[in-house]
Amino acid sequence: GESVGLHLPTLSVQEGDNSIINCAYSNSASDYFIWYKQESGKGPQFIIDIRSNMDKRQGQRVTVLLNKTVKHLSLQIAATQPGDSAVYFCAENIGGGSYIPTFGRGTSLIVHP
Amino acid sequence: ETGVTQSPTHLIKTRGQQVTLRCSSQSGHNTVSWYQQALGQGPQFIFQYYREEENGRGNFPPRFSGLQFPNYSSELNVNALELDDSALYLCASSGTSGVNTGELFFGEGSRLTVL
Repeated sequence: GESVGLHLPTLSVQEGDNSIINCAYSNSASDYFIWYKQESGKGPQFIIDIRSNMDKRQGQRVTVLLNKTVKHLSLQIAATQPGDSAVYFCAENIGGGSYIPTFGRGTSLIVHP
Repeated sequence: ETGVTQSPTHLIKTRGQQVTLRCSSQSGHNTVSWYQQALGQGPQFIFQYYREEENGRGNFPPRFSGLQFPNYSSELNVNALELDDSALYLCASSGTSGVNTGELFFGEGSRLTVL
């Protein structure tokens, strides 16, 4: 079946660097995409979202890019900090009115001081 | 504003037993979703409740059942527990009256171990 997946299970960066976490999706009916951050021992926390009628959205230190042509989503974190260390999930939602996002496996981001 | 709270935080059961997990949704939210998260995996959708009615269900057997109460709190029940049911069970609430932004607010989960 169609699913959300991530290219890299682990990403290690130095503090202050920019981080890019990638995600591939295959369901062409998906119209809403969300990035979540999950710290150890906690539930996922919303970071940023984007709808399929957009190709870029910016938040505080984070940017999400959506490329519908190749069904690719990325999360960019500027000036990565040790507090950004966590597992990051992309999730897709299929249109139709209900918000029931499907999560990918996740990428572990490790930030070295 | 009170966030999503789940109980118990940890529990241990044996195969064949039954378990009930509880969730209090964030104030003003009318939708509750339950997810199962196995170690090293992303959350897998179990079901969603909207105003006390099931609003969607994932690929889980009927021994996974749920309820939503008039105050929008919710329960997840699992019967005939199996070893593979060991996981973190996450509850998420969303939606305000008339508006559903799509953002899920997660609790910290209930860690279930089945022996």
